[in-house]
Amino acid sequence: TQLLEQSPQFLSIQEGENLTVYCNSSSVFSSLQWYRQEPGEGPVLLVTVVTGGEVKKLKRLTFQFGDARKDSSLHITAAQPGDTGLYLCAGDRTNAGKSTFGDGTTLTVKP
Amino acid sequence: GAGVSQSPSNKVTEKGKDVELRCDPISGHTALYWYRQSLGQGLEFLIYFQGNSAPDKSGLPSDRFSAERTGGSVSTLTIQRTQQEDSAVYLCASSLAHAGSYNEQFFGPGTRLTVL
Repeated sequence: TQLLEQSPQFLSIQEGENLTVYCNSSSVFSSLQWYRQEPGEGPVLLVTVVTGGEVKKLKRLTFQFGDARKDSSLHITAAQPGDTGLYLCAGDRTNAGKSTFGDGTTLTVKP
Repeated sequence: GAGVSQSPSNKVTEKGKDVELRCDPISGHTALYWYRQSLGQGLEFLIYFQGNSAPDKSGLPSDRFSAERTGGSVSTLTIQRTQQEDSAVYLCASSLAHAGSYNEQFFGPGTRLTVL
């Protein structure tokens, strides 16, 4: 059983569309990160959310942490081909330094 | 640069041979992680080093896998008697791992291992 469930697993959209991807768990996390990974590279940190209900914006990306700190979402407005990649969420339950990663959402944005 | 570096970037080996993969973390980062990633998949945790504490080896898939971290910096992941199912990208990450750092990890570019 995966501790962090990401959905959808695959998403293919046209440039300019909006999308939301989800990261869900039955466990509470002290913090949660979102990473983006492009082919042939390592994941790159996008954001960390810590407080229940927290919303963070990074240009066209909006990240939300659930009130109970068990789930998170990533919304992209007016997607661009440069947004293509694997989006991974990762959570630290105990702040003890070891995170659990979800299996990721593979996003393809077609021009 | 000041990022995490890994070497080699690509490694092709024959079944049964041993391989060593190297990771140079960001200077000052006390935590170091090794992950394995199959094509298009998520990250499989392998091992975690934090300062001088005993490493968390709970993710190593078999006793053919081992890792060392010398002097609290460079780490080497060794795979003995490689098998075809070991083929994957091996990623290394480091983090500050202190209160308030929220375990934000910085990844290297990975080593792509192919076992023929």
